[in-house]
Amino acid sequence: DAGVIQSPRHEVTEMGQEVTLRCKPISGHDYLFWYRQTMMRGLELLIYFNNNVPIDDSGMPEDRFSAKMPNASFSTLKIQPSEPRDSAVYFCASSPRGGSRPGELFFGEGSRLTVL
Amino acid sequence: AQRVTQPEKLLSVFKGAPVELKCNYSYSGSPELFWYVQYSRQRLQLLLRHISRESIKGFTADLNKGETSFHLKKPFAQEEDSAMYYCALLPNNNNDMRFGAGTRLTVKP
Repeated sequence: DAGVIQSPRHEVTEMGQEVTLRCKPISGHDYLFWYRQTMMRGLELLIYFNNNVPIDDSGMPEDRFSAKMPNASFSTLKIQPSEPRDSAVYFCASSPRGGSRPGELFFGEGSRLTVL
Repeated sequence: AQRVTQPEKLLSVFKGAPVELKCNYSYSGSPELFWYVQYSRQRLQLLLRHISRESIKGFTADLNKGETSFHLKKPFAQEEDSAMYYCALLPNNNNDMRFGAGTRLTVKP
């Protein structure tokens, strides 16, 4: 297994443009998490899914952010419109089910977003 | 809501010296605590979890419920330990895995 796959690895865009980040979790994992990493705040949980269903999106900064998981093998995080303060590294992680709870998180390599 | 605090953004020690990376948490229940590590050009990965009570790469961490701490320790640091370390908490009543801000450890030769 190639692990969690994220694309694009790097994205540079202009303020106001739409950004879509993609994630393919490890096959068989029940949980999928989206995190944002910044120097100031470290890793912030944005949203997580269990069996493709969004469970907690309280970490999503504002309405400009949205996430979907149409099936077990694909998730997207969309920012529309993007702003310079959205510049960060966005991580996707998946986890197998440990009993009824997530086990170890397996992270992708991250998508580095720069909004000019 | 739960919170994880790593008071040191940067920590630098010499090779062979002991190292302790601090982690404090605020949560009223009984959480699971983890340490994750990100080496240069590698993915963020699990280092250890408190329920396993194991030593990984010479690192140990003890959950102190009285002090609400989960500090990561190693008696003799190695240069290859240089990395970014994140403490994480999983509450016992939901599945929000929360991370601290991270500590960048540099082990100097």
